[in-house]
Amino acid sequence: EDQVTQSPEALRLQEGESSSLNCSYTVSGLRGLFWYRQDPGKGPEFLFTLYSAGEEKEKERLKATLTKKESFLHITAPKPEDSATYLCAGVSGNTPLVFGKGTRLSVIA
Amino acid sequence: DAGITQSPRHKVTETGTPVTLRCHQTENHRYMYWYRQDPGHGLRLIHYSYGVKDTDKGEVSDGYSVSRSKTEDFLLTLESATSSQTSVYFCAIHGTGGTEAFFGQGTRLTVV
Repeated sequence: EDQVTQSPEALRLQEGESSSLNCSYTVSGLRGLFWYRQDPGKGPEFLFTLYSAGEEKEKERLKATLTKKESFLHITAPKPEDSATYLCAGVSGNTPLVFGKGTRLSVIA
Repeated sequence: DAGITQSPRHKVTETGTPVTLRCHQTENHRYMYWYRQDPGHGLRLIHYSYGVKDTDKGEVSDGYSVSRSKTEDFLLTLESATSSQTSVYFCAIHGTGGTEAFFGQGTRLTVV
């Protein structure tokens, strides 16, 4: 059974304190690994797609990386506006997306 | 922004009444999904569609039905709403292969 597991469930950082979020997956024949950001009361907002091990994508203070078993979302020098829930999802071929439960990030000024 | 619209955005209904939520896309994407999101459970797949009239069940499909009579519309129906179906419902779309999915703004449904 395809699964995506995210850790930690919640993370509290001081402004400027860099850290990483983890997404481990067991999705056979992975075609894409996605990261989303979700703010309260809103739908998930697409951030990155990673297709193959070794690939990296960056956007502002965020960098996503992919290995054969997991993905990391690195947050460098976070700001309070980076506070949100970050979701990871995998897709294989024509099967539905499989989501993790998310990491709730709080960045304190 | 991806062309995906959910309606209504908010609804309060009584136990036992039928409810239909609508998802409309303008992207001509093949795949459409309905998820529900509840505290502690993350996004859970209810039903999905991989083409007109082609649908399949997700992990929490009991009590829900769907229909897709044309590419752009995917309807989720609660035949007889129960309090356990109080939730936020999200529609998502994506194309074939490993392309990313885009989400609607959500529908907050309260069953009283």
